[in-house]
Amino acid sequence: EPEVTQTPSHQVTQMGQEVILRCVPISNHLYFYWYRQILGQKVEFLVSFYNNEISEKSEIFDDQFSVERPDGSNFTLKIRSTKLEDSAMYFCATKTGGDSPLHFGNGTRLTVT
Amino acid sequence: RKEVEQDPGPFNVPEGATVAFNCTYSNSASQSFFWYRQDCRKEPKLLMSVYSSGNEDGRFTAQLNRASQYISLLIRDSKLSDSATYLCVVSPIKAAGNKLTFGGGTRVLVKP
Repeated sequence: EPEVTQTPSHQVTQMGQEVILRCVPISNHLYFYWYRQILGQKVEFLVSFYNNEISEKSEIFDDQFSVERPDGSNFTLKIRSTKLEDSAMYFCATKTGGDSPLHFGNGTRLTVT
Repeated sequence: RKEVEQDPGPFNVPEGATVAFNCTYSNSASQSFFWYRQDCRKEPKLLMSVYSSGNEDGRFTAQLNRASQYISLLIRDSKLSDSATYLCVVSPIKAAGNKLTFGGGTRVLVKP
């Protein structure tokens, strides 16, 4: 079964550093998402991306965050200057169509020290 | 009122018993509904989509009540492996790139 692949599985970084989280979507999926989950809390929407542009973003997704699909395969989330409160599990998710379910990658655990 | 609300549990269920729980949503225009399960520190995995007429997948039955704005999940003949957190997911519109909102999850513990 095709799957969404995320790298790295765990990233440790110092406060103020930039991080890039990577995702390889399922090949025929057109809609890409980033979610995050702080330990013990709910899964929170960050951003959705379709046709090479952001479709929707949450209040969490401020100027420190950006997404792009630089080479037509990878879908990346960049955090420019990490804060302690950015420590969380970041999930990439993709789907085929407007009302189809999301398929999640196995996540990147980001630890900001 | 939260967009998507779930009883956090835990629901302690004897093996072989039936358990059911609901998820309420605030946006009456919501169109798509899903149940996911999440194991500790793992990614959410799709359990089933929820259709207007209700649907069943093996031991799992999902229902949608639009009038009262909730969806439900029923698990029959519970197995130890059903222990997980069950996440309700709601999408407001069937549009490209629309946000899907997660509930906080209902924790189910199946015990021998």
